[in-house]
Amino acid sequence: NAGVMQNPRHLVRRRGQEARLRCSPMKGHSHVYWYRQLPEEGLKFMVYLQKENIIDESGMPKERFSAEFPKEGPSILRIQQVVRGDSAAYFCASSPPVDGRDYNEQFFGPGTRLTVL
Amino acid sequence: DAKTTQPTSMDCAEGRAANLPCNHSTISGNEYVYWYRQIHSQGPQYIIHGLKNNETNEMASLIITEDRKSSTLILPHATLRDTAVYYCIVRYRSNDYKLSFGAGTTVTVRA
Repeated sequence: NAGVMQNPRHLVRRRGQEARLRCSPMKGHSHVYWYRQLPEEGLKFMVYLQKENIIDESGMPKERFSAEFPKEGPSILRIQQVVRGDSAAYFCASSPPVDGRDYNEQFFGPGTRLTVL
Repeated sequence: DAKTTQPTSMDCAEGRAANLPCNHSTISGNEYVYWYRQIHSQGPQYIIHGLKNNETNEMASLIITEDRKSSTLILPHATLRDTAVYYCIVRYRSNDYKLSFGAGTTVTVRA
């Protein structure tokens, strides 16, 4: 069972360009979460998605950031008009469907390291 | 978010047991203790979790005190590949999907 896959692993963009980060959850997992880790800091929650639904985007910056998890294909985190402050590691995690009332463990991908020049 | 307190760093000799403490004095009855680790340049890796009883899996053991105000993660035979930042997290399983990673404990295993 392959783990969570993210691509690209490294992404370099110039200020003003768009960044598209992809995440394929583990097989059988229908919940996807995106986290951001700024240099020398801990991971911070950004958004929680299920297939075709955004459940909680309370951690997403209000502008330029969007996320989707379509019926088919990977989840996408999109950053428009990137700025230097967007340079960070972006991690995706997935988990199985909720078990009764309980959210299950999250399994993380290797991350995408975004560098904005 | 000051739900857990961990030492900033610790060293461990290769082959010895590594005991990582975590204080969570305000933990509520329905909150679980979770441990993750993050090896340099990788994503966090789930290690173990528990509610009241001690737990063991192929990676580690988790010892939770009877009053649940603290716990210890035990890596029984540390290897160089166990060098990582270890995060102790408390969360409700029923409605808490936002994992909150603090500074964690930087564990360095030395040969």
